[in-house]
Amino acid sequence: EAGVVQSPRYKIIEKKQPVAFWCNPISGHNTLYWYRQNLGQGPELLIRYENEEAVDDSQLPKDRFSAERLKGVDSTLKIQPAELGDSAVYLCASSLESSGRNNEQFFGPGTRLTVL
Amino acid sequence: DAKTTQPTSMDCAEGRAANLPCNHSTISGNEYVYWYRQIHSQGPQYIIHGLKNNETNEMASLIITEDRKSSTLILPHATLRDTAVYYCIGTQGGSEKLVFGKGTKLTVNP
Repeated sequence: EAGVVQSPRYKIIEKKQPVAFWCNPISGHNTLYWYRQNLGQGPELLIRYENEEAVDDSQLPKDRFSAERLKGVDSTLKIQPAELGDSAVYLCASSLESSGRNNEQFFGPGTRLTVL
Repeated sequence: DAKTTQPTSMDCAEGRAANLPCNHSTISGNEYVYWYRQIHSQGPQYIIHGLKNNETNEMASLIITEDRKSSTLILPHATLRDTAVYYCIGTQGGSEKLVFGKGTKLTVNP
């Protein structure tokens, strides 16, 4: 079974440029999460989708960040414009459900973003 | 969600049991304890979770004290590939909102 796929694995951009990250969750997983992980810290949730609906985006900086999950499968996270402080690893995760017995989250390898 | 406290780092000899402690003195009755680990340059990986009873799976055992104020993750025979950051997380109901702390950096030495 393929795991969570993310691309690109690495991205280097100059500040004020836009950037987008793509995630393909495990087939059949209804719940999709985007996290940001700063160096030396644990991951922080940015947004959670149940199918195509964003049910928790309270931690998403909406002035520059946006996300979408068209058709409830793949998802894209965008930053426009990027700032120096956005340098981090962006992780995507998916789970069969968000609660109950099938709520184990499976994480992708992440995209390491460097903003110069 | 319960605040958890873990040691910053631990060392373990290869082949020996690794016992990783976690304090969660403010945990409420319906909050689960989840453990994830993160190997360098990879995404976190689910290990185990529990509510009241001790749990065991193919990766590890989770021992929760009777008062539920602390727990211990046990890797029975640590290998070099178990070197990782281990996160203990307290969360209500499902795992839809995992709040990761800094975790414990476990180093397994040959």
